[in-house]
Amino acid sequence: GENVEQHPSTLSVQEGDSAVIKCTYSDSASNYFPWYKQELGKRPQLIIDIRSNVGEKKDQRIAVTLNKTAKHFSLHITETQPEDSAVYLCAARQAGTALIFGKGTTLSVSS
Amino acid sequence: NAGVTQTPKFRILKIGQSMTLQCTQDMNHNYMYWYRQDPGMGLKLIYYSVGAGITDKGEVPNGYNVSRSTTEDFPLRLELAAPSQTSVYFCASSYPTSGRANEQFFGPGTRLTVL
Repeated sequence: GENVEQHPSTLSVQEGDSAVIKCTYSDSASNYFPWYKQELGKRPQLIIDIRSNVGEKKDQRIAVTLNKTAKHFSLHITETQPEDSAVYLCAARQAGTALIFGKGTTLSVSS
Repeated sequence: NAGVTQTPKFRILKIGQSMTLQCTQDMNHNYMYWYRQDPGMGLKLIYYSVGAGITDKGEVPNGYNVSRSTTEDFPLRLELAAPSQTSVYFCASSYPTSGRANEQFFGPGTRLTVL
């Protein structure tokens, strides 16, 4: 089955810096790759996703890139703000199955 | 729409007790899922269902059972609770994964402690 590795497990940046989180997946049949943001004590919420037929997707300060050949995808956050501090979860899925998640990255943005 | 709702919010069980975690969605989603999240860890898939009457095991199904008699409800049953089942349990739902929207919507979670 699918296995998703996520790095780093913790990331500390200064306000205004960029943050990059990387995930690798094992199943070449996976075709959907979302990123979720989870604040302390809350449910995960989708922030951006990408399908396997697209290489990059942007939404304001966040972007996701996908390299199908290398089987990895990354989340990029620019101009970080303190409210970006949270746990970020990547996941992968093939059609007809459920999302398999990485272990998460705790992002801390200090002002 | 209330979205995905879960009950109870919190529960403390003694070793060997059993309980059912309830999950209901009002978005007419075919797909439903159960995950557990241990401290500092990501979400581990327990079971999922692609429609009423159909369930499949996920990554960590041992010690749990599920049923899906209606589109709206997907209860998770714990028999003979063990300390290793102490966790936060999230239910989620989505449209069919090959369809128009892929987002999984999560419920607020149930925090379970087994002592």
